[in-house]
Formats: sequence, structure tokens, C-alpha cells
Amino acid sequence: GENVEQHPSTLSVQEGDSAVIKCTYSDSASNYFPWYKQELGKRPQLIIDIRSNVGEKKDQRIAVTLNKTAKHFSLHITETQPEDSAVYFCAAFEGGSQGNLIFGKGTKLSVKP
Amino acid sequence: NAGVTQTPKFQVLKTGQSMTLQCAQDMNHNSMYWYRQDPGMGLRLIYYSASEGTTDKGEVPNGYNVSRLNKREFSLRLESAAPSQTSVYFCASSEGGRGASPLHFGNGTRLTVT
Repeated sequence: GENVEQHPSTLSVQEGDSAVIKCTYSDSASNYFPWYKQELGKRPQLIIDIRSNVGEKKDQRIAVTLNKTAKHFSLHITETQPEDSAVYFCAAFEGGSQGNLIFGKGTKLSVKP
Repeated sequence: NAGVTQTPKFQVLKTGQSMTLQCAQDMNHNSMYWYRQDPGMGLRLIYYSASEGTTDKGEVPNGYNVSRLNKREFSLRLESAAPSQTSVYFCASSEGGRGASPLHFGNGTRLTVT
């Protein structure tokens, strides 16, 4: 089955800097890659997603890139703000009629004012 | 439009006790899910339901049962709780199947088994 590895597990940046979180996946059939943000004590919420027919997607300060050959995808946050502090989870959908969405273990991002 | 509603928010059980976690969604989604979240482990799928009356095991189904009562409701039952089931449980729903489209999560249930 699919295995998703996420790095780093913790990340600390200064306000205004950029943050990058990387995930690798094992199953070349995986075709959907969402990112979820979870603030302390809250529910996970989708912030951006990408499908395998697209190499990059951007939404204001957030972007996701996908390299299917290398089987990795990354979340990029520019001009970080204190409210970006949260745990971020990547995930990969295995594809097919019996596939499941497999999550990485999360990255705790701290943005220091 | 409440989205996904879970009850209870908190629960403490003794080993061997049983309980049911309730979940309801008002977005007319066919797909519903139960996940557990443990520190450093991410979110792991317990059970998935594609429609009323159908359920599939996920990554960690042992010790749990589920029931998809109708399109809106998907419950998770612990028949004999164990300390290893101490976790935060999230219900979710989606328009597409099996996690291939955005998931909408409930607020979670924090369960402690002593």
C-alpha cells in the first residue's frame, strides 16, 4: 500500500520568511495530493490540493508543486505570518476503486513575530 | 449549514466499557469517514462508507464497528474499550469517494480510556 513520508516534523521560521514542507509517496498510481492545516485544538482543514495532471498550483501565499517522476510534492508558504502557525498534513490518494487517502505524520510550523 | 457535527466532544471510559460516537453531515455527501489522530501518527482511517448501508475497513479497523444509518449519519462503536483506543476521533465527509476529493472534518471527539 501507499506510504507517505513528510519532512521536517517541526519547522520554525521568522515572520516574513518562506516555509517549505516536503512529502514523498511510494505508489506511482497515486493521483490526488491534498494539504490540510490543523490549528491547535481544531479540525483539519483543506488549504490546497493538486492532481497528478498538474505540476504546480498556487493560491495567494500558498503553492504546491508535484514531481511525479521523483514521487514527491511540496507545500510552499511565502511571507509567513503568525497565523500560519499550525500543524500541516500532506496526503496521497492511492487511486483506483479501492484506494484510500494516506496521510503524512505532520509538520508543526511555528512562525515567530 | 452546520457541516459535519460530532458528539460527544469529550469522553472518558474505563477499560471494557462500550460507547458510540455519533456523526452527522448536512452537505448531502455520499462518502463519510472515521479517522483517529494520535500524536506523531497523523490521521489514520478506521472505516469508510461510500453510501447508506455500505462500509469498508481502513488502515486500523480492529476494535471498532460502524453503522451508516442513512445518508446523513455515520456512527462509530467501541464494543470493549482499551487504553490503546485513547485518541482523538474525527468524522469527515466528502463529495467524491474514498478521499479523492476534499474532506470536511467535524470538530473531533477526545476519548480517554483508563
